[in-house]
Amino acid sequence: DAKTTQPNSMESNEEEPVHLPCNHSTISGTDYIHWYRQLPSQGPEYVIHGLTSNVNNRMASLAIAEDRKSSTLILHRATLRDAAVYYCILSGGGSSNTGKLIFGQGTTLQVKP
Amino acid sequence: DAGVIQSPRHEVTEMGQEVTLRCKPISGHDYLFWYRQTMMRGLELLIYFNNNVPIDDSGMPEDRFSAKMPNASFSTLKIQPSEPRDSAVYFCASSYTRNTEAFFGQGTRLTVV
Repeated sequence: DAKTTQPNSMESNEEEPVHLPCNHSTISGTDYIHWYRQLPSQGPEYVIHGLTSNVNNRMASLAIAEDRKSSTLILHRATLRDAAVYYCILSGGGSSNTGKLIFGQGTTLQVKP
Repeated sequence: DAGVIQSPRHEVTEMGQEVTLRCKPISGHDYLFWYRQTMMRGLELLIYFNNNVPIDDSGMPEDRFSAKMPNASFSTLKIQPSEPRDSAVYFCASSYTRNTEAFFGQGTRLTVV
């Protein structure tokens, strides 16, 4: 399984944008990029995913580098409720697609009032 | 749909006892995953099923662990005999197909004393 690298922790101020980076230099052409987050004492929660193009949804935006070796999760206005561990995960596509999600250590986001 | 339902939410058992964790996936989802989370090891994928068939159980730590999915609406994870090092939060998740959003249950917090 291709590996991702994320910073261990980040801080943000409330109501400011947050850019969470993820490096995945060994990504294959058919790997999807998924982001999940885990709030304290809860199960992981889906945030967004994409393949090549940038993606937007009500929670966040996903910016994917042109060479796909990195991506950035963008929270447009952080709230205290966004304090969580954010996981960047690659899930294989194509004929080798297993559909399984392998979680790394993630980035712990702290949001300050 | 009520989401992925896990039971029990908390389980305290004595070393050597058999423990059975239960999961009801979201109706219509073809994939079911079992994860374990500890502070030391983070979120680990134990096993996953596709259309009730186990696809990859390479994450199951040892023979004391077993998982079944007798039908599309029910899965169990059994530990026999249980040991203190099995203490963790166990999550079940389901998804409609590959590379779609996975929904996680609230988890079962297992404590083996």
